[in-house]
Amino acid sequence: GAVVSQHPSWVICKSGTSVKIECRSLDFQATTMFWYRQFPKQSLMLMATSNEGSKATYEQGVEKDKFLINHASLTLSTLTVTSAHPEDSSFYICSASAGTSLGNEQFFGPGTRLTVL
Amino acid sequence: QKEVEQDPGPLSVPEGAIVSLNCTYSNSAFQYFMWYRQYSRKGPELLMYTYSSGNKEDGRFTAQVDKSSKYISLFIRDSQPSDSATYLCAMSAQTAGNKLTFGGGTRVLVKP
Repeated sequence: GAVVSQHPSWVICKSGTSVKIECRSLDFQATTMFWYRQFPKQSLMLMATSNEGSKATYEQGVEKDKFLINHASLTLSTLTVTSAHPEDSSFYICSASAGTSLGNEQFFGPGTRLTVL
Repeated sequence: QKEVEQDPGPLSVPEGAIVSLNCTYSNSAFQYFMWYRQYSRKGPELLMYTYSSGNKEDGRFTAQVDKSSKYISLFIRDSQPSDSATYLCAMSAQTAGNKLTFGGGTRVLVKP
């Protein structure tokens, strides 16, 4: 149980285009979802926290107009990288939490590798 | 200075040896401490989850937390080549279901 999926697993896009990444909790309802980015050989950096039906809370330094997060249901959150540029190339990982019903853990997705040409 | 410091390694050990990993932190508000394992190009997988100070054992894994020293450790006994991965410590002032602050990760290589 407690499986989180991401789609796509990898994507290549041209500079200036927008890319949408989906994060789904497959067998539980996620009250909170988190989005991280990870550069090669570096740790996970939290980008934003989203609760179903609410606006996402972005970490300092993360452009909310560039990284649009939508948490439309208890099983789906999306991250849209708008007007992507090569410096946005990274590994994007989401996680989901169901609060006390699942031991207050965060369950991580497998990640999405974004390459912007 | 980073809130959570972790030696990046790589840490190379022979199969069967004990792997010793640690993190130090500066934020005294952290109460929940986690260790994750991450294989290349995969998402992190939770290994150990502890609250406050003390030890916790689960199979070959032992986690220790010393809040007075702001120091946490993970020990892996009887290491296997399949343990080769990057190990990330993470901490939270609330539960692990809330905002996590990660260490930089330590790459571990277990040689057969």
